[in-house]
Amino acid sequence: KNQVEQSPQSLIILEGKNCTLQCNYTVSPFSNLRWYKQDTGRGPVSLTIMTFSENTKSNGRYTATLDADTKQSSLHITASQLSDSASYICVASGAGSYQLTFGKGTKLSVIP
Amino acid sequence: DSGVTQTPKHLITATGQRVTLRCSPRSGDLSVYWYQQSLDQGLQFLIQYYNGEERAKGNILERFSAQQFPDLHSELNLSSLELGDSALYFCASSDSLLTSNTEAFFGQGTRLTVV
Repeated sequence: KNQVEQSPQSLIILEGKNCTLQCNYTVSPFSNLRWYKQDTGRGPVSLTIMTFSENTKSNGRYTATLDADTKQSSLHITASQLSDSASYICVASGAGSYQLTFGKGTKLSVIP
Repeated sequence: DSGVTQTPKHLITATGQRVTLRCSPRSGDLSVYWYQQSLDQGLQFLIQYYNGEERAKGNILERFSAQQFPDLHSELNLSSLELGDSALYFCASSDSLLTSNTEAFFGQGTRLTVV
């Protein structure tokens, strides 16, 4: 069964600090790994998409890494801002599949 | 704004009733996906349509059905509603099937409350 596990479930950090969110997936055969940002009550917004051959991808202050051998990914946020407060969702897609498998997300709170 | 429009934004209805959720994909997108997000849960894939045809089914209940019309908008029909059907329902669209770098854009969701 395809699964995506994220840790931690929630995280509180001070404005300006960095943080790293973790994702483990068991999707096989694997195609790509996505990170989304979801504000409360809103639709997810894509941050990065990485194929199995990519190790890292950046989008502004967001940097995602992927290790397809260990089936792990991380999302690093630098110099956090109050507007970064949201849920960050890791999503894996299987090769030849039209379906995305979503993790439950990490709820990030950035406080002044 | 993702370009994906969902209506209505909020819906409150009684148990046993039937509702229809509507989704207009981004201009030019042929593929539409429906997801359910219950409280504190990850998004669960329900069903996908591509250019009017059903292409994939997830954990969609028999009480739920969907279709994609010739103008590519899609509707999700939920019937015999139960309290547990209360959730956020998201629609997403993409210009093609979800290959390696195909982007999927999400609407703002319809919040369904069954009382």
